[in-house]
Amino acid sequence: GAGVSQSPSNKVTEKGKDVELRCDPISGHTALYWYRQSLGQGLEFLIYFQGNSAPDKSGLPSDRFSAERTGGSVSTLTIQRTQQEDSAVYLCASSPRVAGAGGTQYFGPGTRLLVL
Amino acid sequence: KNQVEQSPQSLIILEGKNCTLQCNYTVSPFSNLRWYKQDTGRGPVSLTIMTFSENTKSNGRYTATLDADTKQSSLHITASQLSDSASYICVVSAREGTALIFGKGTTLSVSS
Repeated sequence: GAGVSQSPSNKVTEKGKDVELRCDPISGHTALYWYRQSLGQGLEFLIYFQGNSAPDKSGLPSDRFSAERTGGSVSTLTIQRTQQEDSAVYLCASSPRVAGAGGTQYFGPGTRLLVL
Repeated sequence: KNQVEQSPQSLIILEGKNCTLQCNYTVSPFSNLRWYKQDTGRGPVSLTIMTFSENTKSNGRYTATLDADTKQSSLHITASQLSDSASYICVVSAREGTALIFGKGTTLSVSS
């Protein structure tokens, strides 16, 4: 497909379990972002990958959250020992270049995570 | 602290009417400002991007304005349609290479 894809689209898990969320960016896009959107809240930045540079992890809320981007393409966001407050929509976006320079971010449909 | 504030929080208008959404920011230094439209259950879609030197930018029935001196932006929607019902999010970038700062959005409902 031409857009950003994310999987799974929905995930229900029990408190304390680990989850992995996947993002397939648009081919050729060098920048990849993860965001979290809680009910009634704005988008919260989590982590940013740009090419081969070290990722900007400044938005990760705790050390239970981590992300990888393999081969400069697919990214996986991992949440360990999930808590109920982790329930949210997790959005991935990619950009053909550094977004701060004006590059448009293209968002995926999100993964809706519910922690019971 | 870098912040983006949007108003109103929600808005209901009749189909065919115009409306204006507001965005105030305290992000510094400023690189660019974007407006996104997010339909329920979908990811945001970019409407406009404006840099410091741009005062206005249009995308169909959507027109965004930017006053970098007062750090205010507005999104004007003309002749609203039912499909305009969505959340409109204002996003500001501080400088190249940094994360974007998102407002909480304005939820617009267009009724017939």
